[in-house]
Amino acid sequence: DIVMTQSPDSLAVSLGERATINCKSSQSVLYSPNNKNYLSWYQQRPGQPPKLLIHWASTRESGVPDRFSGSGSGTDFTLTISSLQAEDVAVYYCQQYYSSPLTFGGGTKVEIK
Amino acid sequence: QITLKESGPTLVKPTQTLTLTCTFSGFSLRTSGVGVGWIRQPPGKALEWLALIYWDDDERYSPSLKSRLTITKDTSKNQVVLTMTDMDPVDTATYYCALRTDSYHGFDYWGQGALVTVCS
Repeated sequence: DIVMTQSPDSLAVSLGERATINCKSSQSVLYSPNNKNYLSWYQQRPGQPPKLLIHWASTRESGVPDRFSGSGSGTDFTLTISSLQAEDVAVYYCQQYYSSPLTFGGGTKVEIK
Repeated sequence: QITLKESGPTLVKPTQTLTLTCTFSGFSLRTSGVGVGWIRQPPGKALEWLALIYWDDDERYSPSLKSRLTITKDTSKNQVVLTMTDMDPVDTATYYCALRTDSYHGFDYWGQGALVTVCS
């Protein structure tokens, strides 16, 4: 199984400041034939189901604000919120879909400082 | 508009079998590449993927729970059913069904979830 490890577990950021969340996979999720990383990021607001933000490690879903960006390749990935807004308070999860079993990271809770 | 909705018991007793139904609309499980999966989340904890069934009847399971899980689909009813045997209090969680539109994405659309409590 590919183990997904997120850091930090939680972070508090002032409104308008940058939030950075890291995700590391125990083996590469880069699919060589198409040079795509099979990694997604989700946002889960309190009391809500997860919402897909990013796939292929860096491709934003339609309607996702451009303050959210994903980067990284192979085994190391980052989700960045460039200017934190109040509505971004949530838990964020990474997930690999390179191979079964599909696995999620442990989540990172983002709060307002 | 794509929607998914989970239904099933809110309370089960230890050792019982849980049956959850995901009823969906706005897409077809006959479409190439499409899959519907189940993910659970214990209170205050992280997401855990359980099972996935694809348009071509390919079934995938979490290895740690494989012996207890069965996923089936009824394309005529637009439903996917998950059964989990031998329920235990540690299985208390919100159970989500979710759609994979193709192999290039994670789970694009999610249901609201169904809280299942295991208690005698």
